[in-house]
Amino acid sequence: EIVLTQSPDFQSVTPKEKVTITCRASQSIGSSLHWYQQKPDQSPKLLIKYASQSFSGVPSRFSGSGSGTDFTLTINSLEAEDAATYYCHQSSSLPRTFGQGTKVEIK
Amino acid sequence: QVQLVQSGAEVKKPGASVKVSCKTSGYTFTSYGITWVRQAPGQGLEWMGWITAYNGNTNYAQKLQGRVTMTTDTSTNTAYMELRSLRSDDTAVYYCARGGEKSGSYFDYWGQGTLVTVSS
Repeated sequence: EIVLTQSPDFQSVTPKEKVTITCRASQSIGSSLHWYQQKPDQSPKLLIKYASQSFSGVPSRFSGSGSGTDFTLTINSLEAEDAATYYCHQSSSLPRTFGQGTKVEIK
Repeated sequence: QVQLVQSGAEVKKPGASVKVSCKTSGYTFTSYGITWVRQAPGQGLEWMGWITAYNGNTNYAQKLQGRVTMTTDTSTNTAYMELRSLRSDDTAVYYCARGGEKSGSYFDYWGQGTLVTVSS
């Protein structure tokens, strides 16, 4: 099973600040890495597919990068509505797995 | 627009079964798989498995093998997830999501979630 480890687990950030979340895979997964945003009491929403491709309708301040084992989700100029937990997910092999999540709080 | 609408909350006793439905619309049902993901209270996301809508092929998480069955009804564009022999640690919100059945694929649309509570 591929283990995805996100860091940090929690981040408290002021609006307009830049946020960087990393996701490290226990073995190479190419670009089969996707990012989701989950706000409290809501379903997860797809932000980034295949490591760096923005999903339709996602604000341009969200971007992704990386390949192999190391990936990054960046939120440029954080807005209050970005308070959420962010998860990475790999679809390179079975079983599909998720990172443990990174909670982003607005100061 | 693509929509996945799930059935309502359930309360079950230990040992019972639950069947959650996921009615889809806005796309060709048989062109995508449906993945099921659950989230225990205050916890992260756990992949349960998928079903390929056009032929019913399934792939389940090993820890759920023997207790879970995923099915589809192509006449109503609805997917179902049945979990048997419920335990307290099955208490979770259960989500259906479109996609995930192909290597490399992602989940682009999600249902609203169904809370299943297992309690005596």
